[in-house]
Amino acid sequence: DAKTTQPTSMDCAEGRAANLPCNHSTISGNEYVYWYRQIHSQGPQYIIHGLKNNETNEMASLIITEDRKSSTLILPHATLRDTAVYYCIVGASGSRLTFGEGTQLTVNP
Amino acid sequence: KAGVTQTPRYLIKTRGQQVTLSCSPISGHRSVSWYQQTPGQGLQFLFEYFSETQRNKGNFPGRFSGRQFSNSRSEMNVSTLELGDSALYLCASSAGQNNSPLHFGNGTRLTVT
Repeated sequence: DAKTTQPTSMDCAEGRAANLPCNHSTISGNEYVYWYRQIHSQGPQYIIHGLKNNETNEMASLIITEDRKSSTLILPHATLRDTAVYYCIVGASGSRLTFGEGTQLTVNP
Repeated sequence: KAGVTQTPRYLIKTRGQQVTLSCSPISGHRSVSWYQQTPGQGLQFLFEYFSETQRNKGNFPGRFSGRQFSNSRSEMNVSTLELGDSALYLCASSAGQNNSPLHFGNGTRLTVT
């Protein structure tokens, strides 16, 4: 699976949009981009995934660049409950995922 | 729909013992995957079961094994426990298609003393 690079940490003000970047320059044509988040002492929570088109669901939007070498997860109106570690993962299999260090997002009041 | 359920939530064992962890997937999900999470190694894939057959396996020793039942429920067994096996063990289920996302339970916290 392709490797991803994410910032170690980010801050966001409550109510503002949180934009979390992810680089995956070695992504292959059949690999999807998955986003999960993990709040302390809980299991990871699936957020969204996509192949090449932008995706939106009730939790977030996923913007994938045309060359697919990077993506951005957007939480449109961050709340304190969105404070978590966010993982960007690239893989051809949805079940065998390689988790990196992720981005610690802190939403401040 | 009920989420993924893992039991027990906490477990304390001593070195050399064996342990069995249980996972009930989301109703209708046929794939169950297991992950180990430690502070040093992060989240690591153990194995995946689909329709009672192991479909994928990570790089863990043979002491780690699993199985899946006809109702998709899964168990994971660790034999001859070592101190380094202390970890959060996470189970996740999915619909089973290649890009189906995982839905995780809250894990079993295993402490080996």
